[in-house]
Amino acid sequence: GNSVTQMEGPVTLSEEAFLTINCTYTATGYPSLFWYVQYPGEGLQLLLKATKADDKGSNKGFEATYRKETTSFHLEKGSVQVSDSAVYFCALSEGGANNLFFGTGTRLTVIP
Amino acid sequence: DAGITQSPRYKITETGRQVTLMCHQTWSHSYMFWYRQDLGHGLRLIYYSAAADITDKGEVPDGYVVSRSKTENFPLTLESATRSQTSVYFCASRLLAGGTSTDTQYFGPGTRLTVL
Repeated sequence: GNSVTQMEGPVTLSEEAFLTINCTYTATGYPSLFWYVQYPGEGLQLLLKATKADDKGSNKGFEATYRKETTSFHLEKGSVQVSDSAVYFCALSEGGANNLFFGTGTRLTVIP
Repeated sequence: DAGITQSPRYKITETGRQVTLMCHQTWSHSYMFWYRQDLGHGLRLIYYSAAADITDKGEVPDGYVVSRSKTENFPLTLESATRSQTSVYFCASRLLAGGTSTDTQYFGPGTRLTVL
């Protein structure tokens, strides 16, 4: 079956620190992979996606590379800001499937 | 430019009452979804709909009913609310099925439901 395992939180970093949030997945086929972000009091927003092996998704300084050999899609950012404080969800969708499979979410707090 | 909206944003009800959560999207997306978000579980799919009058169960459908008479609306009803249904509920939509260019889901702002 499909599942996503995500790094447990919470994560607290100082401003300008390097961020990594680990995500690994299990899928029966060739999924698309996503990172969604949820800011306080809001719904989920798509942060980035990758649809095939070795693709790199990027947005707002965040990056994640689809690694088929390690079944991973780790989220990275070189220098976090206070405004990046949010909950980050890794998710997958198999081609033709009708829903997303989510990880449990990682809460990031960035302190000045 | 409303996108996808949910109402109410907050709801407090009592055990045994019927509650309906509304979801409306302005994009004419074919697919719509209902998820619940609980600590330690991430988001779990309750029901989804591929088009008007077509619905199907997700991972946690028990205690919920959905309908989709119009493409733009996808209400979720708790027929007899229980405390275990206290959660944050998110509606989402997607343009089409299949294909990597159309598999992105767009989420509403959520409804926080408390069942006393």
